Amino acid sequence: QLQLQESGPGLMKPAETLSLSCTVSGGSISSSNYYWGWIRQSPGKGLEWIGSIFFNGNTYYNPSFPSRFSISLDTSKNQFSLKVTSVTAADTAVYYCVREVADPYGYYFDYWGQGTLVTVSS
Amino acid sequence: SYDLRQPPSVSVSPGQTATITCSGDRLRGKFAFWYQQKAAQSPRLLIYQNNKRPSGIPERFSGSTSGSTATLTISGTQPTDEADYYCQAWDSSTKVFGGGTKVTVL
Repeated sequence: QLQLQESGPGLMKPAETLSLSCTVSGGSISSSNYYWGWIRQSPGKGLEWIGSIFFNGNTYYNPSFPSRFSISLDTSKNQFSLKVTSVTAADTAVYYCVREVADPYGYYFDYWGQGTLVTVSS
Repeated sequence: SYDLRQPPSVSVSPGQTATITCSGDRLRGKFAFWYQQKAAQSPRLLIYQNNKRPSGIPERFSGSTSGSTATLTISGTQPTDEADYYCQAWDSSTKVFGGGTKVTVL
């Protein structure tokens, strides 16, 4: 059974750089069948897709998110990561790592991590 | 605002049918995907490829699409179905979610 587990700091100060990792177990992120992505949910709000990365390192981002957000891959650790520079209070959210499926019918998310709450406060 | 519009809330009596709509131009000619998020839990995939259910999802959940509107139907709603439901679509490699619908089982 595939499992995804986020890790990272729970509390950040404004202007700091946030680094979140997602460790994948029960499957390889080097598979060419899937993408690996990040989704966030701000307090009391809905879901926003941030971006995804393919096994070859190609990345795809939501145009609504600024270039402060970047995703990378570490195949040796079977992990992928999200980095957010210059965080603000608006980045306070639960961040989920997900496995993304691309099939002839579209793109969707079939496995989700448990989520990690990141709070940005001075 | 959201590109995919959902009613903020739906109330249903146990055993009755709940219907949740999701409307938006991004749905035209495409399938919608649906997720269920119970309180303090991660979302989970509910419906994919318009009307397929992952293993473990009860048959009472079904999906359909017509034009630019997708519909999630919960037949014989159970108290355990009380949750937030989100639709999702894609366009030019961008994935978008609806604003979510809170289903209350009264």
